[in-house]
Amino acid sequence: GENVEQHPSTLSVQEGDSAVIKCTYSDSASNYFPWYKQELGKRPQLIIDIRSNVGEKKDQRIAVTLNKTAKHFSLHITETQPEDSAVYFCSSGAGSYQLTFGKGTKLSVIP
Amino acid sequence: DVKVTQSSRYLVKRTGEKVFLECVQDMDHENMFWYRQDPGLGLRLIYFSYDVKMKEKGDIPEGYSVSREKKERFSLILESASTNQTSMYLCGISKPDEQYFGPGTRLTVT
Repeated sequence: GENVEQHPSTLSVQEGDSAVIKCTYSDSASNYFPWYKQELGKRPQLIIDIRSNVGEKKDQRIAVTLNKTAKHFSLHITETQPEDSAVYFCSSGAGSYQLTFGKGTKLSVIP
Repeated sequence: DVKVTQSSRYLVKRTGEKVFLECVQDMDHENMFWYRQDPGLGLRLIYFSYDVKMKEKGDIPEGYSVSREKKERFSLILESASTNQTSMYLCGISKPDEQYFGPGTRLTVT
């Protein structure tokens, strides 16, 4: 089955700096790569996604990039703010409504 | 807005007890799921359901079973709870472009 590796497991940045989280996947059939954000005590929520026919997608301060050849994708957060502090999960799917998740990255933004 | 509810936010059970975790959605979606979330291990799929009475094992189905008799309700059953099943359990629905999670049930087995 699919295996998703996520790094780093923890990340601390100063407010205003950028944060990058990287993931790799193993199944070449995967074509959908959503990212979820989970704030403390809350449910995971979708923040951005990318499909295999696109190399990059942006939404305000967050962006995702995808390299299908290398089977890796990344989340970039610019101008980080304290409210960006959360656990972020990358995931991948192959059109079957099921996702495989990475183990998560705990991002701390230091004011 | 999609609404997914879970029967309990916190639950404490004893080893060997039969445990039922309920998940209810209000949007008539076919696809529902159960994950467990553990620190350092992320979200791991236990079971997936494509429709009423249809189920598929996920990555870690051992020790669990499920029931989907009505479209809106997907139940996770621990036949004989064990301490290694202490975890956060998240259910939800799977739409074409998003998985929507319920609030979670934190289960402690003592």
